Amino acid sequence: QKEVEQNSGPLSVPEGAIASLNCTYSDRGSQSFFWYRQYSGKSPELIMFIYSNGDKEDGRFTAQLNKASQYVSLLIRDSQPSDSATYLCAVNPLVSGGYNKLIFGAGTRLAVHP
Amino acid sequence: NAGVTQTPKFQVLKTGQSMTLQCAQDMNHNSMYWYRQDPGMGLRLIYYSASEGTTDKGEVPNGYNVSRLNKREFSLRLESAAPSQTSVYFCASTPLSGEVYGYTFGSGTRLTVV
Repeated sequence: QKEVEQNSGPLSVPEGAIASLNCTYSDRGSQSFFWYRQYSGKSPELIMFIYSNGDKEDGRFTAQLNKASQYVSLLIRDSQPSDSATYLCAVNPLVSGGYNKLIFGAGTRLAVHP
Repeated sequence: NAGVTQTPKFQVLKTGQSMTLQCAQDMNHNSMYWYRQDPGMGLRLIYYSASEGTTDKGEVPNGYNVSRLNKREFSLRLESAAPSQTSVYFCASTPLSGEVYGYTFGSGTRLTVV
């Protein structure tokens, strides 16, 4: 069974700090990686995706991918209380038949305190 | 722009009852998915439809059936509900079955089976 692992948290950071969220995956052939944010009682919303080794930046968010070590991370700079949510890592494993079937981690709960 | 619409939002069933969860998207997406989300277990794929006219099992299909009624609609049916099916159900869609597309999620159906 292909797995995606995340620390459940909560990860508590002060307002203005950098929050670092990590994710590891088991399928070495995985091709693309996604970060979703989910507020309590709401549906997941896509923050960003990455499929090449290295960093990808979008505003206050930076996704980092290291395929050799099989981990993905999400950095949130200048964290705000509105960033408090659960962050889901999702991985598209080596596809069978070309179908886009994401495998999700259980999520890391982030709490940003003023 | 509605995106992905799920109905109902909440439902309570008695053990053994049946029901159908409805999902419709207005983004002309080809691929649609049903996931369930349970505490501490993340999102797990129940069934998916890569394109109109095709459906296939995901990780946890037992106790469920699906119908891809047309390109817009993908329904999930519970024939004989069990307490183990108490969960939050999310429908999602992507433009194509290619790898780099993230999902757009519906708002979810919170189902309780008593």
